[in-house]
Amino acid sequence: AQRVTQPEKLLSVFKGAPVELKCNYSYSGSPELFWYVQYSRQRLQLLLRHISRESIKGFTADLNKGETSFHLKKPFAQEEDSAMYYCALSRISGAAGNKLTFGGGTRVLVKP
Amino acid sequence: ETGVTQSPTHLIKTRGQQVTLRCSSQSGHNTVSWYQQALGQGPQFIFQYYREEENGRGNFPPRFSGLQFPNYSSELNVNALELDDSALYLCASWSNGELFFGEGSRLTVL
Repeated sequence: AQRVTQPEKLLSVFKGAPVELKCNYSYSGSPELFWYVQYSRQRLQLLLRHISRESIKGFTADLNKGETSFHLKKPFAQEEDSAMYYCALSRISGAAGNKLTFGGGTRVLVKP
Repeated sequence: ETGVTQSPTHLIKTRGQQVTLRCSSQSGHNTVSWYQQALGQGPQFIFQYYREEENGRGNFPPRFSGLQFPNYSSELNVNALELDDSALYLCASWSNGELFFGEGSRLTVL
């Protein structure tokens, strides 16, 4: 069974401070990991995925298979980063689309 | 603009009734997924359709059913509504390995 755990419901940081959102997963196969973000009054959207190894809006995430983690980090938080963040997992396959298993989400509040 | 639109945005039903939620995705996005998001929780996979056939289902009872049409629109039907069905229902379509979400239909069951 696939499971994604985000242990923090709420993270409150000051502008300019580092922020790290934790994500742990359990999956027996080869997973593909994602971070989705939902800004206020906007739809859920993809922030980044581990296979692209990109930095999006200053955020990075490294897949650690040994620790089964995919923590999201940003060295200097901005007020516009305030949002709801969801970690998600799917299996890697050639099929067109796959079930995503989401964590419970972490709300990030960046204070001025 | 992701091109995934859902209707209605909000609706209220009573226990035991039936509901149909609709989704329209972009031309060429031939895989559509439906998710249920209860308050304070992450989205939970209901099922997925590919080329008008169900090709994946989560842990939801048969009273949750769906359809996908050739024009890239789809429906989620829920029969015999229960109070716990109150949630935000999200439709999403796949393109190039990315899932594009609609804004959701918020269902309240009284």
